[in-house]
Amino acid sequence: DTEVTQTPKHLVMGMTNKKSLKCEQHMGHRAMYWYKQKAKKPPELMFVYSYEKLSINESVPSRFSPECPNSSLLNLHLHALQPEDSALYLCASSQSDGFSAETQYFGPGTRLLVL
Amino acid sequence: GENVEQHPSTLSVQEGDSAVIKCTYSDSASNYFPWYKQELGKGPQLIIDIRSNVGEKKDQRIAVTLNKTAKHFSLHITETQPEDSAVYFCAARDRGSTLGRLYFGRGTQLTVWP
Repeated sequence: DTEVTQTPKHLVMGMTNKKSLKCEQHMGHRAMYWYKQKAKKPPELMFVYSYEKLSINESVPSRFSPECPNSSLLNLHLHALQPEDSALYLCASSQSDGFSAETQYFGPGTRLLVL
Repeated sequence: GENVEQHPSTLSVQEGDSAVIKCTYSDSASNYFPWYKQELGKGPQLIIDIRSNVGEKKDQRIAVTLNKTAKHFSLHITETQPEDSAVYFCAARDRGSTLGRLYFGRGTQLTVWP
């Protein structure tokens, strides 16, 4: 099973709202990723968690706050977003032994619209 | 960091014909090259990948070739079908990155006409 699940599928929020995106995998992977994807563009890396610790933050604004409660779960907390943050937010996971060419498996994404 | 270029940006083929998408990379240390297919409204799905110790890999109608000397790799789809229509992304992994950072090409919109 190579499934990564994400909820919700769609989200509409105002600029003053607080919401969270959720990602889950049960493949025993120890690396999890958040990507942002705009229409007709490739995914852009936002955050990487390795063994439940934040390892990479690609200079993402603080209105995005990631959290990794355990090795299977990844959250992205959203607060005071801007309309330009509207995008498809993708979660991915990989084995993360750190020494081999690892396959990243993507979830279906959360389509976010900020009004 | 790594730079991946992908061509063409759009590709239209007749059902049954072959489709080829090409990518080049800049960092000779890159050692892993996946291809993803993304259908409208869905997340990227891995369709095939190749590692730097292999020159070619095939899976039914899909094949990937890697030329390390020239630093390019290509996706070949034979006997295309309308359900192959999607955006295809190539990517390269920097061997210097222990956290699996992928560098993506800009994508190719493939349309297969019945």
